[in-house]
Amino acid sequence: EVQLLESGGGLIQPGGSLRLSCIASGFSFSNYGMSWVRQAPGKGLDWVSAVSGDGRTTYYPDSVKGRFTISRDNSKNTMYLQMNFLRAEDTALYYCARKYSATSGFDYWGQGTHVTVSS
Amino acid sequence: DIQMTQSPSSLSASVGDRVTITCRASQGIRDRLAWYQQKPGKVPNLLIYGASTLQSGVPSRFSGSGTGTDFTLTISSLQADDVATYYCQKYDGAPLTFGGGTKLEIK
Repeated sequence: EVQLLESGGGLIQPGGSLRLSCIASGFSFSNYGMSWVRQAPGKGLDWVSAVSGDGRTTYYPDSVKGRFTISRDNSKNTMYLQMNFLRAEDTALYYCARKYSATSGFDYWGQGTHVTVSS
Repeated sequence: DIQMTQSPSSLSASVGDRVTITCRASQGIRDRLAWYQQKPGKVPNLLIYGASTLQSGVPSRFSGSGTGTDFTLTISSLQADDVATYYCQKYDGAPLTFGGGTKLEIK
């Protein structure tokens, strides 16, 4: 059974840093691209970053470029999101998601980890 | 960047109705479009990818169509269990932008 388990969220002051983790199980992790998607309270889905299966290629929207870094350790079946210079507008539930293939969407999602940026 | 615009933003329909949600891309994205269903308090669930391919396990009352810039998600006969917010997403290339969502309620 495919499972994605996020951790690392919490309350952090503006300007602070946080690292999220997503541990995967039930599939060959290195064969799949992965992403982080966030959802602010009462708002829609917002794609945050993506990483290729081998970890060599990463993608970001302009809203987080230069502040967030996605990475993965395939030996540990784990993906990370290093978030620096956090802002109040980064407050959200952060999901990790698996992209089945280049021609498909996100077929598995974790339950999410909450990030609150507030003084 | 390509923008994804969904309409309507909210919709109320009766059980048994045919429901259509539209998604428009500001530039062509071929068929690289997915639809997700998010029930209240739950994780998003992939319904359709490739604009029209039904994800395994999704009821056949859901269907998708379109290519290029205009896409639709159709529920052929609305069920009470379909109360949710629906999102489209482009995945032709980064950024993997979501539409703003369509909240579907039962009348």
